Amino acid sequence: EVQLVESGGGLVQPGRSLKLSCLASGFTFSNYGMNWIRQAPGKGLEWVASISSSSSYIYYADTVKGRFTISRDNAKNTLYLQMTSLRSEDTALYYCARLVHLGYYFDYWGQGVMVTVSS
Amino acid sequence: DIQMTQSPPSLSASLGDKVTITCQASQNINKYIAWYQQKPGKAPRLLIRYTSTLESGTPSRFSGSGSGRDYSFSISNVESEDIASYYCLQYDNLPPFTFGSGTKLEIK
Repeated sequence: EVQLVESGGGLVQPGRSLKLSCLASGFTFSNYGMNWIRQAPGKGLEWVASISSSSSYIYYADTVKGRFTISRDNAKNTLYLQMTSLRSEDTALYYCARLVHLGYYFDYWGQGVMVTVSS
Repeated sequence: DIQMTQSPPSLSASLGDKVTITCQASQNINKYIAWYQQKPGKAPRLLIRYTSTLESGTPSRFSGSGSGRDYSFSISNVESEDIASYYCLQYDNLPPFTFGSGTKLEIK
C-alpha cells in the first residue's frame, strides 16, 4: 500500500524557516517524481514544487521561487521542503504527492501537514 | 502559464440528480486534464485522468469529457457520499501545474 506521511509543520514567525519531510513507503520511491502542493485554510489547491526521480529536474511555483527548496533522499525514501523567509500567505496545509509513473498528474497524496506563519 | 477557470464555485443537488462542473483552460491542453475529489478534512483523491479515463475504484456514475480548451466533469445519480469539493488539474503545459479553483458540492 502506498503511503506518504508528512511531518515537520507547526507555528513559525514571519521571516523564519521550517523544513517539512515526507516519508514514503509501499513503492519504489526512487522511480517516481514527487511534489509539494498546498492548500490555504478554506481555499483551493496550489502546486508548490516538483522534483524528478533522480533530482535532475526541479521546478517551483513563482510564489515560492527563491525561498523554498525541494529535495529528496532516495536512500531514506524521504522528500523534503526547506522553507525560508516565510510569510503569512504561506500558511497552509502542505501535501506531499506522487507523480504518476511516466506521467504528469498526481496519483497518491499524503494527509498533509499544517504550517502556520504568524507572530 | 495556463489558467484554469472552473465553475460553478458551488452546487446544491438532490440525491439522484446529475451535476456537471466545467473547466476552461486559457489555451488548448490536449485533453491532459485530471479531476480530483476532496472530502472535508481529507487529501484529494484522483478520480479521472486524461479527460475521461476513470481511475480504478472510481464509480461509473462519474464521467468526464471535453477537448481543446473546454472540459466537463459529471456525476449522475448523486449520492450522499459524493459531498465533497472537486478540482480540475491541467498537466499539458508544465510547469506550473494549475488547478481549477474548485467546486463545492452540497446536498439539498
